[in-house]
Amino acid sequence: DAKTTQPPSMDCAEGRAANLPCNHSTISGNEYVYWYRQIHSQGPQYIIHGLKNNETNEMASLIITEDRKSSTLILPHATLRDTAVYYCIVKPRGSQGNLIFGKGTKLSVKP
Amino acid sequence: NAGVMQNPRHLVRRRGQEARLRCSPMKGHSHVYWYRQLPEEGLKFMVYLQKENIIDESGMPKERFSAEFPKEGPSILRIQQVVRGDSAAYFCASSPRPGAAQETQYFGPGTRLLVL
Repeated sequence: DAKTTQPPSMDCAEGRAANLPCNHSTISGNEYVYWYRQIHSQGPQYIIHGLKNNETNEMASLIITEDRKSSTLILPHATLRDTAVYYCIVKPRGSQGNLIFGKGTKLSVKP
Repeated sequence: NAGVMQNPRHLVRRRGQEARLRCSPMKGHSHVYWYRQLPEEGLKFMVYLQKENIIDESGMPKERFSAEFPKEGPSILRIQQVVRGDSAAYFCASSPRPGAAQETQYFGPGTRLLVL
C-alpha cells in the first residue's frame, strides 16, 4: 500500500500556480519524497525529490514541512500540458526498493 | 543523452502466444525495474534486476512471466501463453545503483500489449 495520501483531483487555471498537497505522516528519517507525473498513459516522468529541505528545479518546487509529515508540489505557472496524474511517493534512500504508486492526484489545467 | 528505450511500443498477440518486451536502460544505469499498469489502474511493481541478477521479483505473477537482464543487451520481460488479462501497459525504469548520489528511477515510454 502507498504510504502517502493525495486528493483524487484538482483543477487549476492556466497561468496560475498549481499547489498539489501530499500527506506522508508515517515517513521515516531516511525516506525521500519523490514526485512523478503521468501524462495520459505516457511513461511516468520524474519531477523532483527531496529529503527535508525545500527543493526547486526547472519544472517545479517542493516544499516539505518541518516535521516532514506533508509536502506540496508547486507548478509556478501551470499550462495545459501540465494536465496529468501526479504521484507523491516516499522511498528510503539507498534502498533497493521499487516505487509504490498510489492513485495520485488528477490535475486538470483549464484555459 | 538517450533516455530509457522500450520496444516495441505496441504489441498485439493472440491468446496462447508469447510476448517479449525489451528495455534498454539509460546510459550509465545498471538497474532495471519493470512495472505493469492495467487499464484504469495504477502502476504496480513487477521485478527489479541488475545485470545478470534478479534482485526482487515479488511483484511477478508466479507463472508464465519471466525477466532477465543479460550482461550484454537489453532487459527482456517475457510472457508465455498470454491471456486477455495480460493486456496492459508495461513500463521499464532504470536507475544508477542504490545509494548513488542520484538514484532516481527514470521511466521509458512503455509497451502497450493487447491480447486478442
